[in-house]
Amino acid sequence: KAGVTQTPRYLIKTRGQQVTLSCSPISGHRSVSWYQQTPGQGLQFLFEYFSETQRNKGNFPGRFSGRQFSNSRSEMNVSTLELGDSALYLCASRFGGGWTEAFFGQGTRLTVV
Amino acid sequence: QKEVEQNSGPLSVPEGAIASLNCTYSDRGSQSFFWYRQYSGKSPELIMFIYSNGDKEDGRFTAQLNKASQYVSLLIRDSQPSDSATYLCAVGGNEKLTFGTGTRLTIIP
Repeated sequence: KAGVTQTPRYLIKTRGQQVTLSCSPISGHRSVSWYQQTPGQGLQFLFEYFSETQRNKGNFPGRFSGRQFSNSRSEMNVSTLELGDSALYLCASRFGGGWTEAFFGQGTRLTVV
Repeated sequence: QKEVEQNSGPLSVPEGAIASLNCTYSDRGSQSFFWYRQYSGKSPELIMFIYSNGDKEDGRFTAQLNKASQYVSLLIRDSQPSDSATYLCAVGGNEKLTFGTGTRLTIIP
C-alpha cells in the first residue's frame, strides 16, 4: 500500500513568487490536512479538506489556499511568498474519522530567498 | 497561553534509563491525545495515543493522561540511541491535530 506522497520534496522560490505543493493521500483516504512546520512555531494547522470541501482552516493569511480534487489529491498554494514562509509543509492523510489511522507525508521543504 | 505546551529541551538521558516527556494542554474538553516521534528530516510518526485517564503501555512506551490536571506524559523505558528524536505531543479535534512545539530527546550511549 503506497504511503502519502508529497511533491516536490524541495523547492526554492524568490520573494513575491507563488508556489503550489501537492499531496497524494493513501488510496481510500478522503481527508487531507496541511501543516506548516518551523523551528520556532512547531507544526501549525493550515487547513483540512474532506471530499473536496474545506472543513477547517487555521490562522494563516489569505495568501495560503488549498483545494482537493475528486481523487482526493490536494494542492496548497501560497501566493506572494515572504521569507517567513520558509518551512517544511506536511500533509496528513486519513480515511475520515479519528487520528490513529492518519499518516504524514515526507513533506515539502520550501525555502524563500 | 499556547494550546499545547511542551518543554523544548533538549533532554539528555543515558542509555538504559527512563526518559520522561511532559505536555500540558489548555482545552479542558479535549478527548484524544497523541505522541509522535520525528527523526531529523523525517515526517512525524504516531507512537502512542490515549483517550482515558491513567496509563497506557505499549512495549517500552507508556503514555499517561490526567484530564483534571490537563497533563499528558510519555515515558520511554530502557532508552536506546535509536530513541533520539523530537517528540511531539498533539491533542486531537474533529478536523485538526494541535501540536506542541516538541521536545528534542538525546540518548547518550
